[in-house]
Amino acid sequence: DAGVIQSPRHEVTEMGQEVTLRCKPISGHDYLFWYRQTMMRGLELLIYFNNNVPIDDSGMPEDRFSAKMPNASFSTLKIQPSEPRDSAVYFCASARGYNQPQHFGDGTRLSIL
Amino acid sequence: SQQGEEDPQALSIQEGENATMNCSYKTSINNLQWYRQNSGRGLVHLILIRSNEREKHSGRLRVTLDTSKKSSSLLITASRAADTASYFCATGVGNAGNMLTFGGGTRLMVKP
Repeated sequence: DAGVIQSPRHEVTEMGQEVTLRCKPISGHDYLFWYRQTMMRGLELLIYFNNNVPIDDSGMPEDRFSAKMPNASFSTLKIQPSEPRDSAVYFCASARGYNQPQHFGDGTRLSIL
Repeated sequence: SQQGEEDPQALSIQEGENATMNCSYKTSINNLQWYRQNSGRGLVHLILIRSNEREKHSGRLRVTLDTSKKSSSLLITASRAADTASYFCATGVGNAGNMLTFGGGTRLMVKP
């Protein structure tokens, strides 16, 4: 089985630009999670979906952040406009069911200049 | 503040020795999970232990859970250089058991 696939692996852009991060979960997994990892704050849950429906977005830092899951095999996390403090590694993870182990992608390292 | 806190923050041992990492948390949990992260990679799930369980094993890994003390430990026996990584505990709470809160991690270095 292919794992969780994230793209791009690295993104460098200037502040004010729109950034789109993409995720393909493992087939058959009905939960999808977006996390952000920084040295200062560690790993934080931003939002999660169940069966393509957003369940909890309380971790989304600001209205500049939005996430969608148009179908079971694709999700996006957008930042518009981006700011230097958004620089972090963003991870997508998926899980087969409630309270099951989460499978992580290798992340997108985002640098906002 | 973080729900789970690992101790120690960093650990350096020789190959063949055992490594023990501890995790403390603040509120009642549904489950506790341990993950490993190699540099530049995503997290890899190691073990999930539910609140009604006290101990679980997987190969060279042993996890214990003490809900009265709100703590868990991860033991890696006969460590190998390939075990060098950061290890995180994550807790799932109540009806939102899927919403994991991660600790700051323990950086383990195993010297060959």
